[in-house]
Amino acid sequence: GNSVTQMEGPVTLSEEAFLTINCTYTATGYPSLFWYVQYPGEGLQLLLKATKADDKGSNKGFEATYRKETTSFHLEKGSVQVSDSAVYFCALRANAGKSTFGDGTTLTVKP
Amino acid sequence: EAGVVQSPRYKIIEKKQPVAFWCNPISGHNTLYWYRQNLGQGPELLIRYENEEAVDDSQLPKDRFSAERLKGVDSTLKIQPAELGDSAVYLCASSLSQTYNEQFFGPGTRLTVL
Repeated sequence: GNSVTQMEGPVTLSEEAFLTINCTYTATGYPSLFWYVQYPGEGLQLLLKATKADDKGSNKGFEATYRKETTSFHLEKGSVQVSDSAVYFCALRANAGKSTFGDGTTLTVKP
Repeated sequence: EAGVVQSPRYKIIEKKQPVAFWCNPISGHNTLYWYRQNLGQGPELLIRYENEEAVDDSQLPKDRFSAERLKGVDSTLKIQPAELGDSAVYLCASSLSQTYNEQFFGPGTRLTVL
């Protein structure tokens, strides 16, 4: 079956540090890939997505590139802020419409 | 535009009791999802509806869980009887259609079974 493996957390960074959260996947066919963010007490929100190989998704300074050869979709941001503190989920959506999520990575950014 | 609405936000019950969760999706969204999120894990799909039809309920524990989406709008997820292991956050999400990629999530219902 399909699966998503995320870098284990928690991740603690100082403000303005560079962020990378690793995500690799296993899937049949050609899935779409997503990053969701969950702020405390809120539901998951779509952060960015990529629907085919070599696509780059970007939003709010975050980026991730769909790498089919390494089956990866790593999340990056050049300079994190305190407000970026949240839980980040990598997910894939298979052709049949079913979504599979990773276990989430908790990011804490300190001033 | 209102987002996905869920109620209640929190529920504490004793084991063997029944419990129900309600979800109202974004207006016009045909696809509705129920997920369970255990502590420290990602959401796991329980059931997916296209309008009023359940098109994927393979992960729904049918001995104790049931769901309905009458009229293809809001939905109810029920557990009867609840077990200790059912403690989790139950998330509802919706999307325009099953082929439209973006899902919009509600805030979830946190269930604690004592």
